Amino acid sequence: DAGITQSPRHKVTETGTPVTLRCHQTENHRYMYWYRQDPGHGLRLIHYSYGVKDTDKGEVSDGYSVSRSKTEDFLLTLESATSSQTSVYFCAISDHSGEQYFGPGTRLTVT
Amino acid sequence: DAKTTQPNSMESNEEEPVHLPCNHSTISGTDYIHWYRQLPSQGPEYVIHGLTSNVNNRMASLAIAEDRKSSTLILHRATLRDAAVYYCILPNFGNEKLTFGTGTRLTIIP
Repeated sequence: DAGITQSPRHKVTETGTPVTLRCHQTENHRYMYWYRQDPGHGLRLIHYSYGVKDTDKGEVSDGYSVSRSKTEDFLLTLESATSSQTSVYFCAISDHSGEQYFGPGTRLTVT
Repeated sequence: DAKTTQPNSMESNEEEPVHLPCNHSTISGTDYIHWYRQLPSQGPEYVIHGLTSNVNNRMASLAIAEDRKSSTLILHRATLRDAAVYYCILPNFGNEKLTFGTGTRLTIIP
């Protein structure tokens, strides 16, 4: 299995609080991605990174920011969490082969 | 990004082959065809990918039509562990972005 972990695995937070999810890889892959998955939907891309300090928006980026200061870490921040951001969040990594490897997911509940 | 079309659901008997179809009529010459699957309560898992020729690996085979407008993922002998949602995806060239649709939910009947 690809060396990719996510933390925390579960989190419950209140509306309006900031939340940061961490994705950590040990594969030295260039690309990293954050997706969210809601019931009955496929995964939707939030943000992605194509190198240290190089990030770009995905299709559902509103309300989220990211940072990548090291190759191995990609952080997803919800500046002020809302109930609509209750979801399961997946991180993924890839190299130039095009295959993406996914982490185990973080279940976030915003009350 | 080129779009793909898959049936919402399929059923298959255990230990029989399964053919999962995907249409991608707007595919361009440089688009690879990727397949992922997502088992219950897990993140997606890479299955296979190809460009023009048929491809085989330990998990599955990928048959690509000559005009590349469709492809079929073949599981040679389905087991209960193959019950999952299968996604056919054409990654964005250059940044490898994946656009997941709703996929095909495969049910394996014991």
